[in-house]
Amino acid sequence: QQPVQSPQAVILREGEDAVINCSSSKALYSVHWYRQKHGEAPVFLMILLKGGEQKGHDKISASFNEKKQQSSLYLTASQLSYSGTYFCGTDQGAQKLVFGQGTRLTINP
Amino acid sequence: ETGVTQTPRHLVMGMTNKKSLKCEQHLGHNAMYWYKQSAKKPLELMFVYSLEERVENNSVPSRFSPECPNSSHLFLHLHTLQPEDSALYLCASSQDGSPGYEQYFGPGTRLTVT
Repeated sequence: QQPVQSPQAVILREGEDAVINCSSSKALYSVHWYRQKHGEAPVFLMILLKGGEQKGHDKISASFNEKKQQSSLYLTASQLSYSGTYFCGTDQGAQKLVFGQGTRLTINP
Repeated sequence: ETGVTQTPRHLVMGMTNKKSLKCEQHLGHNAMYWYKQSAKKPLELMFVYSLEERVENNSVPSRFSPECPNSSHLFLHLHTLQPEDSALYLCASSQDGSPGYEQYFGPGTRLTVT
């Protein structure tokens, strides 16, 4: 079952904050977050394992609420380099990742 | 540099052609994946190999045939493709085939079927 990401697209000015959500109708064991810039490979950002732990590095962090079967990615004080499409990949217990449709983030100066 | 390379980067082929996509990983990983990425669709897993054995075949048509001769190389053999097979084909690798490990993606092969 494909997780649902929201919003589908967001436009920000440099320095503003953003939240991207990933919701599943099935129980989740872990959630991955990836960013893909146009014409490039998706790049791993972080993985959140069952246990509700919050992770982060620099100004990008994420949380995982296993009871609500959802994860959120937080981008603080966004930089131009944060532009791209963000994907969540969910482990629903079938030994593979199922990806959301992506959220396109545009950061303007 | 992600450590995963793919060739060719672009490929145009007719529906009667036979071609192969190649992926190589330099990360010492034990699992490799093929994904299909179409416009406005999520990443679709096609095949997973772990320690050179196929562990997942996600209901992919037989016109796509994977081959994993060793843990560093992965091929996708293509024959009698349809125009709807046009997409970006991404290769990825991870420490092992379980979803608990991050995946490292190659730059992809942009395939156009005419």
